[in-house]
Amino acid sequence: NAGVTQTPKFQVLKTGQSMTLQCAQDMNHEYMSWYRQDPGMGLRLIHYSVGAGITDQGEVPNGYNVSRSTTEDFPLRLLSAAPSQTSVYFCASSYSRSMNTEAFFGQGTRLTVV
Amino acid sequence: SQKIEQNSEALNIQEGKTATLTCNYTNYSPAYLQWYRQDPGRGPVFLLLIRENEKEKRKERLKVTFDTTLKQSLFHITASQPADSATYLCALDSGGYQKVTFGTGTKLQVIP
Repeated sequence: NAGVTQTPKFQVLKTGQSMTLQCAQDMNHEYMSWYRQDPGMGLRLIHYSVGAGITDQGEVPNGYNVSRSTTEDFPLRLLSAAPSQTSVYFCASSYSRSMNTEAFFGQGTRLTVV
Repeated sequence: SQKIEQNSEALNIQEGKTATLTCNYTNYSPAYLQWYRQDPGRGPVFLLLIRENEKEKRKERLKVTFDTTLKQSLFHITASQPADSATYLCALDSGGYQKVTFGTGTKLQVIP
């Protein structure tokens, strides 16, 4: 079991560029989510998915798109990168939609927008 | 407004002592509360889950308490070791997946 795999680990973008952060899990979890982590802010939920074909917005969705065509994959797209999107991004998956089971996190993607 | 507070300052303790980390919350009625460990450059790793009807949970050297009256959870590491040095995050929800909220974490340093 690889768990939750995120790629790339590091990325530098210029303002206005677009890119996709990849996330894949091999635990057959229905529930997946994307967080960003900024100093002093804690993890904040961007988007989440409760199953293939179903996504919804979290706390800070602006500037990001997601899709869920398979159970395994949950990519996060930055449409037009802005310096405010400089952050560390984490993908997570869990068996349950609530917190009565643990969430598994990927290693993170450190994104810098210049 | 809803808020989770963890000690923003780092906690330094001597090896072998018990470390106690605090998670206070306001304007939540969480059904569950979780604690995670995060090492530099890594994603959070789940440690313990406690439910609203549970007062205490233990796992090896770890113990979590949950006081819904005080709106507080305490996380204890007994016989602490330098390998326990990390940032510890608490997270809670109010019954919905989209309502998961994480604290900012407390950095623990165990000094040999």
